[in-house]
Amino acid sequence: GAVVSQHPSRVICKSGTSVKIECRSLDFQATTMFWYRQFPKQSLMLMATSNEGSKATYEQGVEKDKFLINHASLTLSTLTVTSAHPEDSSFYICSARDLGTGVVVTYGYTFGSGTRLTVV
Amino acid sequence: GESVGLHLPTLSVQEGDNSIINCAYSNSASDYFIWYKQESGKGPQFIIDIRSNMDKRQGQRVTVLLNKTVKHLSLQIAATQPGDSAVYFCAETRAGGTSYGKLTFGQGTILTVHP
Repeated sequence: GAVVSQHPSRVICKSGTSVKIECRSLDFQATTMFWYRQFPKQSLMLMATSNEGSKATYEQGVEKDKFLINHASLTLSTLTVTSAHPEDSSFYICSARDLGTGVVVTYGYTFGSGTRLTVV
Repeated sequence: GESVGLHLPTLSVQEGDNSIINCAYSNSASDYFIWYKQESGKGPQFIIDIRSNMDKRQGQRVTVLLNKTVKHLSLQIAATQPGDSAVYFCAETRAGGTSYGKLTFGQGTILTVHP
């Protein structure tokens, strides 16, 4: 089945630094990937839609200059949290949409294992 | 706005009991619904899905019911096991068009199964 790998699984960084999170589709091509954020004991909130070869589209209230998304290939999207602050500490999760087999519609959208970001 | 999770309700059951987890969705245009299980520190794991042209769908030990009239979704887990303990989320989307793949998640329910 479709597998999405996310790296790193955990990262601790100092306030003011930048952190890059990778999302890879391992056995399928993904023209579109989605980035979610989840605060403790809360639901997942969509941050942005990452489109291969074009600019990401951001949900209302998400700062595009702070959360840089690059989708340079059909199997990799990266999310860079720039000038991270403690309030950015969260669980970041990506999901990927299969290029066109239709399987993903039947079996749901494949999620990565998530990245726990802690900014100190 | 869409469904936003602020506080997670909880459900505690004994092993072997049946569990019912409920979800209210907000977008009448949604035509595809998915239930996910999320264990601590992990991403959501697909459980079962249903399209809006169906009222019920069954899987292995799980059943999803959809009531479009009141925009309500439920997940029934038969013979609940300790390994079922997790947070359960419903999600809604449109199965096609520009919104394809953009999931709106419900608030989630913490299921605890006691041996």
